[in-house]
Amino acid sequence: GAGVSQSPRYKVAKRGQDVALRCDPISGHVSLFWYQQALGQGPEFLTYFQNEAQLDKSGLPSDRFFAERPEGSVSTLKIQRTQQEDSAVYLCASSLVRSGLARAYEQYFGPGTRLTVT
Amino acid sequence: DQQVKQNSPSLSVQEGRISILNCDYTNSMFDYFLWYKKYPAEGPTFLISISSIKDKNEDGRFTVFLNKSAKHLSLHIVPSQPGDSAVYFCAASRSGSARQLTFGSGTQLTVLP
Repeated sequence: GAGVSQSPRYKVAKRGQDVALRCDPISGHVSLFWYQQALGQGPEFLTYFQNEAQLDKSGLPSDRFFAERPEGSVSTLKIQRTQQEDSAVYLCASSLVRSGLARAYEQYFGPGTRLTVT
Repeated sequence: DQQVKQNSPSLSVQEGRISILNCDYTNSMFDYFLWYKKYPAEGPTFLISISSIKDKNEDGRFTVFLNKSAKHLSLHIVPSQPGDSAVYFCAASRSGSARQLTFGSGTQLTVLP
């Protein structure tokens, strides 16, 4: 079946521009996560949705970062007034939540969007 | 403060031999651990996981060992194949959270033919 897809795959933005990154999770997956991966590092958690509810946004680095998932499927991560330090790969992951099943904790990742701010 | 650490940035192994990738963690609240494999320009792919109630989990050529007292886990790949060459990430999650993953910085495994 189809995996997690993300678009665009690559985005170059001038400093100060706004960008929007899209994630299409696996159909039926309730949980959706966004991560930021800097060069040479592991992914770092940004925010979490369960269906359309954003239950945790503790990892968002500033109020310039905003995420939404209005209908509980597709999600958009928006970065306003981009800065050079926002340059990274942005990964989206989805997970099927079923209580009592360990596999609920496995997250399936998309290919990421590489954002370069010049 | 890194809660999940992979202290070896790279590892080279001969084809057919065992690859051992190590991971240490500091947060005793972590109760589920996962290994992901990542090829260039792709997202991480789930490989194998282990719950804190176990000390070993095996899936084909891949075995994960967990030593809770040492807060250490390792991934064994036997036998190693050239297609296993990738970056391997260790990740952990804890109960009472959104189950977000905390990742190590990764180990680049190169399997030499």
